[in-house]
Amino acid sequence: DSGVTQTPKHLITATGQRVTLRCSPRSGDLSVYWYQQSLDQGLQFLIQYYNGEERAKGNILERFSAQQFPDLHSELNLSSLELGDSALYFCASRDLYTDTQYFGPGTRLTVL
Amino acid sequence: AQSVAQPEDQVNVAEGNPLTVKCTYSVSGNPYLFWYVQYPNRGLQFLLKYITGDNLVKGSYGFEAEFNKSQTSFHLKKPSALVSDSALYFCAVRHSKAAGNKLTFGGGTRVLVKP
Repeated sequence: DSGVTQTPKHLITATGQRVTLRCSPRSGDLSVYWYQQSLDQGLQFLIQYYNGEERAKGNILERFSAQQFPDLHSELNLSSLELGDSALYFCASRDLYTDTQYFGPGTRLTVL
Repeated sequence: AQSVAQPEDQVNVAEGNPLTVKCTYSVSGNPYLFWYVQYPNRGLQFLLKYITGDNLVKGSYGFEAEFNKSQTSFHLKKPSALVSDSALYFCAVRHSKAAGNKLTFGGGTRVLVKP
């Protein structure tokens, strides 16, 4: 168990809908990273937050947004969902002292 | 730009035999390299990392990796593979602080250890 929690584990929804994925980092970690794992794109970095502020952005679609709250949990919002958004979404938090990212179990999103 | 490549989609090995999973890197500056493992329906688990120091890095579950600067490689190794090592393995490179210390992953190598 990495100490990073993600909910829900599975999400099944329809095209055009909006969903919210939630992540709680390890105790003491201030950074949260979101990654997407899909069959065609592999593992891709989406966005990073540090202590509530956005710090880096990857190939994140405009339909996707995220935020990190004062209690350091983060939410990834996916809207106007398309079939191609079906993927495994991972959250990771970074240990500042060991410079290591620890990953949550992921949320599997299926868009029908 | 920082990148890593895993040239093999799949590696098959018999239980008890040595296991090697290959990774090559391309970085500007000093490389910060990682190995993660993903078991079915699970998240990525950290195995080991190279930041600086000894070229042979020891990690979890009996795995080790050899950093080779001249060959720009960071191969993952295990002297004696177990059936339970069957999983998907990812090599990753860490970007700079300016890029948020994000990780870029290789395409993954599926390891199948046969009894």
